[in-house]
Amino acid sequence: DIQMTQSPSSLSASVGDRVTITCRASQTISSYLNWYQQKPGKAPNLLISAVSTLQSGVPSRFSGSESGTDFSLTISSLQPEDSATYYCQQSYDPPRTFGQGTKVEIK
Amino acid sequence: EVQLVESGGGFLQPGGSLRLSCTASGFSFSSYSMNWVRQAPGKGLEWLSYICSLSRTIYYADSVKGRFTISRDNAKNSVFLQMNSLRAEDTAMYYCAREGIGGHRDFDYWGQGTLVTVSS
Repeated sequence: DIQMTQSPSSLSASVGDRVTITCRASQTISSYLNWYQQKPGKAPNLLISAVSTLQSGVPSRFSGSESGTDFSLTISSLQPEDSATYYCQQSYDPPRTFGQGTKVEIK
Repeated sequence: EVQLVESGGGFLQPGGSLRLSCTASGFSFSSYSMNWVRQAPGKGLEWLSYICSLSRTIYYADSVKGRFTISRDNAKNSVFLQMNSLRAEDTAMYYCAREGIGGHRDFDYWGQGTLVTVSS
């Protein structure tokens, strides 16, 4: 099975900060990497698919990138409404594994 | 508007069975693959199972293989998860999620979830 190692597990940053979350795949997953945002008590919401394709309605401060088997989600200017837990997911092969999640808090 | 509504969760004892349903609306259900994902209290997301649009391809996570069965009824716009031999560690919020049709296999819409609690 493909393992997704996500880091950090949590972070605290100020409004306006640039924040980066990383995910490393245990083997090649091509561009089958998605990012989800989950707020407390809510279902996850797809932010980015295929490494860097922003979903409709997602603010442009969110972006995704890759370098080999390393993937990143960047929030260019953190906003209060970005307080949430973020998950990466590989959709290359079943099982469609998720990363462990990164909880983003606002200072 | 795309909607996915899960139902069937509840409280039951270890060893019991439960059938979850997810009813879809607002899109052509028979054209989409569907997934089940769960989240134990305070924990991360765990993918459980996948079924393609015509039920020809099905996958399971090792943690539920042999105990859970996914199925769908396209005439009723519904996908199901039959859960047998339930354990305390199956306690979780269970979500159904639609797989996007763009080829990236992302989960573009999710239901609100149904809670399953397994306890003696």
